[in-house]
Amino acid sequence: DAMVIQNPRYQVTQFGKPVTLSCSQTLNHNVMYWYQQKSSQAPKLLFHYYDKDFNNEADTPDNFQSRRPNTSFCFLDIRSPGLGDAAMYLCATSRGGSGRGRETQYFGPGTRLLVL
Amino acid sequence: AQRVTQPEKLLSVFKGAPVELKCNYSYSGSPELFWYVQYSRQRLQLLLRHISRESIKGFTADLNKGETSFHLKKPFAQEEDSAMYYCALQTSGSRLTFGEGTQLTVNP
Repeated sequence: DAMVIQNPRYQVTQFGKPVTLSCSQTLNHNVMYWYQQKSSQAPKLLFHYYDKDFNNEADTPDNFQSRRPNTSFCFLDIRSPGLGDAAMYLCATSRGGSGRGRETQYFGPGTRLLVL
Repeated sequence: AQRVTQPEKLLSVFKGAPVELKCNYSYSGSPELFWYVQYSRQRLQLLLRHISRESIKGFTADLNKGETSFHLKKPFAQEEDSAMYYCALQTSGSRLTFGEGTQLTVNP
């Protein structure tokens, strides 16, 4: 099945130790998103790529970075994780552009990050 | 700034009863609204879009610009409808702003 894949499903890291979360897609979509979702809260957009154009949300901490080396892959780097960064991280994709259905976002299963 | 409010964190109904999940939004532009659903142990997925004016799994939602609402309704709830439902507002650049979600439980 064409889909959005996130690895690993669970990630444990230590306070201050850099960590990278991975997302890949077989949908050939132009846009890839990273969301942070803390317990009982709404998913919050961190940033997104439209092709190679990076779009950071104004309130995303500098501690969070992203890379998109090609259409299929996108990475979330947390340079120095703090306890407050423990959350579910969701990757999503969309086709992008105008037209019906092109903005529908397809989500991965998420990576749950635990910071010790 | 845009905002989406889902006033009920938890909603419990009996099978066969009508169900309405409330969503209100705040946005200065022309809104594009969505309902996403997450069933137990599954990923978040699109349920319906206001612009399509469609019914999916018996659910409908009407955009009311006067009341800035986009409530999700189903006349007869089924047990398989139990899930977390998120209302979402699309703003510029394909960005989605989500509400905090409503956990719907349909009891037998």
